[in-house]
This record gives sequence, structure tokens and C-alpha cells, in this order.
Amino acid sequence: KQEVTQIPAALSVPEGENLVLNCSFTDSAIYNLQWFRQDPGKGLTSLLLIQSSQREQTSGRLNASLDKSSGRSTLYIAASQPGDSATYLCAVWDSNYQLIWGAGTKLIIKP
Amino acid sequence: DAMVIQNPRYQVTQFGKPVTLSCSQTLNHNVMYWYQQKSSQAPKLLFHYYDKDFNNEADTPDNFQSRRPNTSFCFLDIRSPGLGDAAMYLCATSRDSGPGGLFFGSGTQLSVL
Repeated sequence: KQEVTQIPAALSVPEGENLVLNCSFTDSAIYNLQWFRQDPGKGLTSLLLIQSSQREQTSGRLNASLDKSSGRSTLYIAASQPGDSATYLCAVWDSNYQLIWGAGTKLIIKP
Repeated sequence: DAMVIQNPRYQVTQFGKPVTLSCSQTLNHNVMYWYQQKSSQAPKLLFHYYDKDFNNEADTPDNFQSRRPNTSFCFLDIRSPGLGDAAMYLCATSRDSGPGGLFFGSGTQLSVL
């Protein structure tokens, strides 16, 4: 059974730092992996989608990598800003077309 | 811009009083989902429509129902809301089974008094 883990559950860093959020999954047989952002009391915004055949995707200051063999994905945020403060969730589409979620990392960027 | 729209943004209902949440999409995606999310938890899938085919998750209470009258609209009906049903309800869409990605609306925050 596929399980998705995000560590740490919470992270606080000073503004301007580069940071990495981690997502690990137990079964490498996935179709893709998607990173989302959620602001308090709001819906989810899709940040990046990585297909299983891809190694990374980039959007602005965000870069997501995927290593299926090791069951890991990272979301790299460059030059963090207070507006990046949110909860970041990763989710994988497993071999049964089920979307399995991580519990999220709550990120706080201190001005 | 193509998007997923949920109304209302906030909904307050009374214990046991039926409530309907709505979702519309302009993405022309054939799959629509309803998720329930409680504070600090990951979203939990309630059910989804693949075209007109309704797929209920095994642990979704009978108190929750859904309708999809056409491709663009989907409704979540809670027949007799309990205090435990207070949550954020999220509508999402995808093309086919989803490996092309999931797109969410802004959610409806439901309070039950």
C-alpha cells in the first residue's frame, strides 16, 4: 500500500533563504507526483506536476525533483519571501489511479 | 481563465438541516471530485464522477450525496449535517483518471451550529 510522508511537519526560516521541502513515498510505481500550496482557510493551488518519466519541473522560484528509485521528491524554493508562508502538500498518483496524500509541511517565512 | 469555482465560500447551517454546496468548472474536464478536509489534515476523497459514472468511496457516510447534472456542474448534498461534518469541502477536476494533474476550487468552509 502506497504511503506518502512529508518531513518536517513544520518549518520556519528567515526571509531570503533557499529551502527544501521533502516528500517520500513507499512504492516507486507511480504515474506522477503533484505539489500543492494551501493558504489558511483556502483551497489548494497546484504548483508543479512531475510525470513519472521526468526528473524535475521548474516554475519561477520553485523547482521540484523526482527520484522514483529512491521514492523521493523535493520542492526547492529559492530566495524565500513572507508570501511563501503556507502549507505545502505533495500527492502521488499510484498504479491504481488513486491519489495518495502527504500530511503537508507548514512553512513560515520570517520577515 | 479556465477554472474551478465553488459557491458559497462560507456556509453556515444548523444541525440536521440539509445543505447543498456547488461546484462549476470551465476546464471541460470529465472527472470531478469532492474532498473533505479538516483542520491540519490532508484532503479526504468522498466521491468522484468519471463522466456520468458516480464512484463512492467505501467509507463515505450515506449522509453525503452528489449530483452531476452536466459536465460543468457538480453538487454536494449533506442530508442531515452533524457537528462532525464541519469542515472545508473542496471540489477538484481532472482530465481522465488524473495523472495529468488535479485542479482545485477555492473551497467552501462549512460550519454546523
